[in-house]
Amino acid sequence: GAVVSQHPSRVICKSGTSVKIECRSLDFQATTMFWYRQFPKQSLMLMATSNEGSKATYEQGVEKDKFLINHASLTLSTLTVTSAHPEDSSFYICSARDAASGIYEQYFGPGTRLTVT
Amino acid sequence: GQNIDQPTEMTATEGAIVQINCTYQTSGFNGLFWYQQHAGEAPTFLSYNVLDGLEEKGRFSSFLSRSKGYSYLLLKELQMKDSASYLCAVMDSNYQLIWGAGTKLIIKP
Repeated sequence: GAVVSQHPSRVICKSGTSVKIECRSLDFQATTMFWYRQFPKQSLMLMATSNEGSKATYEQGVEKDKFLINHASLTLSTLTVTSAHPEDSSFYICSARDAASGIYEQYFGPGTRLTVT
Repeated sequence: GQNIDQPTEMTATEGAIVQINCTYQTSGFNGLFWYQQHAGEAPTFLSYNVLDGLEEKGRFSSFLSRSKGYSYLLLKELQMKDSASYLCAVMDSNYQLIWGAGTKLIIKP
């Protein structure tokens, strides 16, 4: 149980375009989902926390107008990278908390490799 | 500020034992996690400690001392597939995970 999927797994886009990444909890309800970014050889950096039905909370330094997060249901959150630039190329990972199992469990999706050319 | 420290890289031999240390200073404490991350993949959960002491799970064990702000992950009978980065993360008073930079473990035959 507790499986989180992400789509797409890899995406290449041109500079200036927008890319949407989906994160789904497949067999549990996720009241809270997290979006991370990871550059090569660096640790995870939390970008934002999203709660179902409410606005996402962004970490300091993360542009909310550039990284649009929508958590419309208990099983789906989306991250849209708007007007992407090469410096946005990174590994984006989502994770989700299982509301039924308590506050400590956090399950990760497989990640999305974004390359902006 | 909040801080998690762990060694950048360690090397060990197949079949041996290795201990990866993690020290932390956070605003509040609601548990410490260890995750394994292979290159190009997302992290996978290894262990969770909230009370002092040793938690054993197969070849992997995790230890916590809250008074010292210290934890370690012990890997026994190392296998080549254990080559990965090991991430220490602490859940703070807001139930947010604070991540260490990770320890890259290299296993040599």
